[in-house]
Amino acid sequence: AQKVTQAQTEISVVEKEDVTLDCVYETRDTTYYLFWYKQPPSGELVFLIRRNSFDEQNEISGRYSWNFQKSTSSFNFTITASQVVDSAVYFCALSEAQGDSSYKLIFGSGTRLLVRP
Amino acid sequence: DAMVIQNPRYQVTQFGKPVTLSCSQTLNHNVMYWYQQKSSQAPKLLFHYYDKDFNNEADTPDNFQSRRPNTSFCFLDIRSPGLGDAAMYLCATSRETGTSYNEQFFGPGTRLTVL
Repeated sequence: AQKVTQAQTEISVVEKEDVTLDCVYETRDTTYYLFWYKQPPSGELVFLIRRNSFDEQNEISGRYSWNFQKSTSSFNFTITASQVVDSAVYFCALSEAQGDSSYKLIFGSGTRLLVRP
Repeated sequence: DAMVIQNPRYQVTQFGKPVTLSCSQTLNHNVMYWYQQKSSQAPKLLFHYYDKDFNNEADTPDNFQSRRPNTSFCFLDIRSPGLGDAAMYLCATSRETGTSYNEQFFGPGTRLTVL
């Protein structure tokens, strides 16, 4: 079965520290997609990145970077020079194809990041 | 701006009293999803509509129903809410063409309290 594991329940760092959020997934699909979403206290899920299973290139977007390692089934997320506004719950998710060509998102349990001033 | 709108943002209902949550979208997406997110847990898919076709998850309780009268609107009906149904309900949309995955865009959610 599809599964996403985020072993870190909560992380607390001081502003300007770098922090890495871990994500490990399990899937039997040969083609799949991985995602990171941010959920601030307001509750809305904010899309951060999508990565398909054929693209193992790491990606950097400003202070955010992602490391996709298919060999270890991991898709880790690093925030460089963290800021207080980064405080939120971060979810890693995996797509699961449905019979009607849509996709279901399987979410990990989330990592709560607290960045202290 | 095109977006996914959920009303109300906060809903309080009484144990056993039917409640309806609303989702609308201006993205003209053909797929609409309802997720349930209980406190400190991950969102979990309840069901989705692919165009007019309803697709229920196997473990979604019968107490939960959905309606999609047109492309823009989708409703979540809870026929007899129990205390365990208190949660954040997230609506999402995507445009699926059958060729590749497209992002799901989430609304702000409706936080349901059951008294």
